[in-house]
Amino acid sequence: DAKTTQPTSMDCAEGRAANLPCNHSTISGNEYVYWYRQIHSQGPQYIIHGLKNNETNEMASLIITEDRKSSTLILPHATLRDTAVYYCIVSDRSSNTGKLIFGQGTTLQVKP
Amino acid sequence: DAGVIQSPRHEVTEMGQEVTLRCKPISGHDYLFWYRQTMMRGLELLIYFNNNVPIDDSGMPEDRFSAKMPNASFSTLKIQPSEPRDSAVYFCASSVQGGGYTFGSGTRLTVV
Repeated sequence: DAKTTQPTSMDCAEGRAANLPCNHSTISGNEYVYWYRQIHSQGPQYIIHGLKNNETNEMASLIITEDRKSSTLILPHATLRDTAVYYCIVSDRSSNTGKLIFGQGTTLQVKP
Repeated sequence: DAGVIQSPRHEVTEMGQEVTLRCKPISGHDYLFWYRQTMMRGLELLIYFNNNVPIDDSGMPEDRFSAKMPNASFSTLKIQPSEPRDSAVYFCASSVQGGGYTFGSGTRLTVV
C-alpha cells in the first residue's frame, strides 16, 4: 500500500472550515483514499473515502486532485468536538489483500 | 446496531498470566481486524480475518500472540504468557469489503 504524508499538527478556529492535507504521491490506480479520526481514548472513527471523484457526506468533504497524488479533508464548520487525530490512509480494498495501515496522522486542535 | 463489542474494557494482569480479549463484530461484516495502539508505535495491525479465515497475521509480534475466529460473530486474541511490554489498548474492527471499518471501544491491557 502507498505511503501517506500528513502534517503533524494543525489548529483551527471554532466555526471555521478545517482543511487537512494529505500527500500520497505513490498511490496506484486501485487504491482508495480513506480518512479516519480518533478522539482521545476512543476507537478510530471512519469519516469518508474516495477513489478519484470528490466525495461528501454528513461529516466531511474529500477533495482528491486530478492526478490523485494528494487530497484534502474538509470539515466545513469545525467544532470543539472535532479535536482529534486525523488519519489519511490509502489502500486497495478491492480484494481481500487490502488492509488499512495507520500512520501518525494529523492532530487537529479546534480552538474557541 | 450495537456496533463492534469488545470485552473486557480494562484488564490488569500479572506478568506470565494468560490474557484473552474478545470481540463481537457487526452482523453481516465479513472482515475482522485486530489492532494494538501504544504511544510509541501508534496503531499497529496485528491480524485480520475474512469470512472467519486468517488472511494476514504478519503483524502478530511473536508466538505468544494468537487469534481465532471460530464463527462469524466472535473472535479472540490471546496472549500467553503476557509481558509488561504487551501493555496497550487493543482494538477490534469489522467491515464489509471496500467499506469503512467500524472500531470497538478497545480493551486497555496493563501487564504488571
